[in-house]
Amino acid sequence: QSALTQPASVSGSPGQSITISCTGTSSDVGGYNYVSWYQQHPGKAPKLMIYDVSNRPSGVSNRFSGSKSGNTASLTISGLQAEDEADYYCSSYTSSVVFGGGTKLTVL
Amino acid sequence: QVQLVESGGGVVQPGGSLRLSCAASGFTFSSYGMHWVRQAPGKGLEWVAFIRYDGSNKYYADSVKGRFTISRDNSKNTLYLQMNSLRAEDTAVYYCAKDFLEWLLYPRYMDVWGKGTTVTVSS
Repeated sequence: QSALTQPASVSGSPGQSITISCTGTSSDVGGYNYVSWYQQHPGKAPKLMIYDVSNRPSGVSNRFSGSKSGNTASLTISGLQAEDEADYYCSSYTSSVVFGGGTKLTVL
Repeated sequence: QVQLVESGGGVVQPGGSLRLSCAASGFTFSSYGMHWVRQAPGKGLEWVAFIRYDGSNKYYADSVKGRFTISRDNSKNTLYLQMNSLRAEDTAVYYCAKDFLEWLLYPRYMDVWGKGTTVTVSS
């Protein structure tokens, strides 16, 4: 159950788009279309933003989108806003659940 | 509204035990699998365990297998995590979370989270 690999940090200016990658193996990200993304603001519980690679739960802005190619999944946030500044975690099914190490998004 | 409230955290010595509880409300608890996820201070999320909606199957992270036991009481709308042989590295905020879809046989996504309860393992 090794953690998925995410960049430690990414940054962007308001209005720009950023992409966070999440690299796993054929046993997790590459083997199933069960990738999800969570947003966590400091001191708060995580929030589900994307499930099944690219689906958004009700109420999540369409500025958030997900995709996958091989063993790497990606989260793209378009039209960056100050409130998007948070930690983002990817997750994959792998007969259990494995999270990525997390990426801190800074909105400049 | 849908709500999860954890309790039972505290300070415990290495080798000790603790039992966490999670009271659920606002949804049909018996229809959903449930998770425990933890977060060590300043660290990322770590999935801990999952139990099917009917309690028939349980799944654990390797780091807690054999030491932690997840269980549920659908008549009380309550999820539990029995933690034995605690280690310093188990120090974390423990969240309970509801799976996203009903009747799932395997762990998938967490769409509702509690605020967490803090467990500190220290002598």
